[in-house]
Amino acid sequence: EAQVTQNPRYLITVTGKKLTVTCSQNMNHEYMSWYRQDPGLGLRQIYYSMNVEVTDKGDVPEGYKVSRKEKRNFPLILESPSPNQTSLYFCASTKAGVGETQYFGPGTRLLVL
Amino acid sequence: LAKTTQPISMDSYEGQEVNITCSHNNIATNDYITWYQQFPSQGPRFIIQGYKTKVTNEVASLFIPADRKSSTLSLPRVSLSDTAVYYCLVAGNNAGNMLTFGGGTRLMVKP
Repeated sequence: EAQVTQNPRYLITVTGKKLTVTCSQNMNHEYMSWYRQDPGLGLRQIYYSMNVEVTDKGDVPEGYKVSRKEKRNFPLILESPSPNQTSLYFCASTKAGVGETQYFGPGTRLLVL
Repeated sequence: LAKTTQPISMDSYEGQEVNITCSHNNIATNDYITWYQQFPSQGPRFIIQGYKTKVTNEVASLFIPADRKSSTLSLPRVSLSDTAVYYCLVAGNNAGNMLTFGGGTRLMVKP
């Protein structure tokens, strides 16, 4: 089954404790993105990647890092989480090309105390 | 990236047809129009996409006038399970570089 998976689905952590949220897709898509969703603010793009070893900042990249060492994986790293990074995070992947659609993962709900 | 404007919310009743209109006055020649549906705490899900005129699939229809400055998502005979947020996106390349979801339209279907 074609899908985007994220782990963990739920995470409670404390300020400053490094964490990684994994994202994996099995559709051989070139493009992958991370979004965060907060009440009243909609979905905002954090980082995106157009291929292996190619990443760029989205709308709200501060406090986040990403890497794309393999085509299928695109982890999101919070080196020193802060309470304002409490949010619902979504990973998405897309096939390269004009007019292609995004496939989203199930989401990761993060609480930073 | 073309900015989109949608109504914040809409109410409907089961069995009715719902039409949600999205304005995108500065759409570019190579932009496609895509609609997504999102349920609470789930990732957005693709509904339909079009470039011009009319597109229909098993879930919805998408109407795009000749000037392409707006589009209308039509959901026939909605049910309670269609209660969700609907997003309209306009982009030539859906891969990234500031692909932005607007606030969406919150559709509430009542019994």
